[in-house]
Amino acid sequence: AQSVTQLGSHVSVSEGALVLLRCNYSSSVPPYLFWYVQYPNQGLQLLLKYTSAATLVKGINGFEAEFKKSETSFHLTKPSAHMSDAAEYVCAPGSRYNQGGKLIFGQGTELSVKP
Amino acid sequence: DTGVSQNPRHKITKRGQNVTFRCDPISEHNRLYWYRQTLGQGPEFLTYFQNEAQLEKSRLLSDRFSAERPKGSFSTLEIQRTEQGDSAMYLCASSSGTGDYNEQFFGPGTRLTVL
Repeated sequence: AQSVTQLGSHVSVSEGALVLLRCNYSSSVPPYLFWYVQYPNQGLQLLLKYTSAATLVKGINGFEAEFKKSETSFHLTKPSAHMSDAAEYVCAPGSRYNQGGKLIFGQGTELSVKP
Repeated sequence: DTGVSQNPRHKITKRGQNVTFRCDPISEHNRLYWYRQTLGQGPEFLTYFQNEAQLEKSRLLSDRFSAERPKGSFSTLEIQRTEQGDSAMYLCASSSGTGDYNEQFFGPGTRLTVL
């Protein structure tokens, strides 16, 4: 069965610092990987999506993620954190076995940004 | 607002009572998903519909849970004889098309507290 691990339930960075949120998936290579973001009192919003077309994927708000098959990882990065980036970030791999497109989510990482 | 809406946003009930939640997907989205999210965890898949047909149910969905989408538009999720373990955020999402990895658009969720 497909599974995903997000290392670090809480990550705190200073404003302007690099953001790195980690996501590792189970060994069977998924054809799709998603990062979702959840701002306070809002629904989950798609941040970016990997679809095998390119290993480096750019998303909204300056975020990007790189698919690394050798490391079974899809870490999320942003060069310079803004206060508005404070939110919950959730990684979700897709699989041809997830009929109907249901998503298997990681446990999430809460990002705090200090001024 | 043309996003996914969920009602109520909050529900407090006593153990043993029945509750019903409603989800209105984005107009003309043929797929509708229900997820459950507990504190500190990522969302877990419960069930999904393609139009009015319920195509998959998670093993998490006990006999006390039932979901419907009678006309292929809005959906309801009912929990009978609620238990304290049912306390969670219930999320609804919708997507268009029949591809398994189209973007899912999430509603703000219904937070259930069972006393």
